[in-house]
Amino acid sequence: SQQGEEDPQALSIQEGENATMNCSYKTSINNLQWYRQNSGRGLVHLILIRSNEREKHSGRLRVTLDTSKKSSSLLITASRAADTASYFCATDADEGKLIFGQGTELSVKP
Amino acid sequence: KAGVTQTPRYLIKTRGQQVTLSCSPISGHRSVSWYQQTPGQGLQFLFEYFSETQRNKGNFPGRFSGRQFSNSRSEMNVSTLELGDSALYLCASSLAGSQNEQFFGPGTRLTVL
Repeated sequence: SQQGEEDPQALSIQEGENATMNCSYKTSINNLQWYRQNSGRGLVHLILIRSNEREKHSGRLRVTLDTSKKSSSLLITASRAADTASYFCATDADEGKLIFGQGTELSVKP
Repeated sequence: KAGVTQTPRYLIKTRGQQVTLSCSPISGHRSVSWYQQTPGQGLQFLFEYFSETQRNKGNFPGRFSGRQFSNSRSEMNVSTLELGDSALYLCASSLAGSQNEQFFGPGTRLTVL
């Protein structure tokens, strides 16, 4: 079974808008990662946030982590058509294994 | 540095056959992990190799196996293929292990007929 569950499963927005994706997980973690996947290709690492961090930024990306609620969110600001992709959270809850959620499919329309 | 490479990129096999997929990690990376991605089950962890030793294994039957060579290149093998093995198989490498930032290859698309 998947450790992480993303919400929503699909998101459609206009260019320039912000996109927010959420991830919930079940057990304690050391860190949580976000990845992007373009149309059936390999995944690209976006950001890693450790359990003792609450927020992290990378360019137009902002990730928050709330370990008390076992949830994380990924915010993409000023979205572009090139941001169209599937976004996955992944946790290290199962020692040595990276467990991925089902993903959020983001569509950014020009 | 060159990225993670996987060969072949596409493969068509029939039920009962076996298949070997190859992955070359980024130079200097000693950890190689394998994942299976299907529309129904999503991304599932298969196994991780570190310095030629299997360090972790996911919940897959024994038909799925792998190995890592001294140059960190890795292969995974699936024997007695089933229709349900049709998937995108992704390989990822990292410096220290699968719990750290991983660099993924483009994947091998396996179709079992």
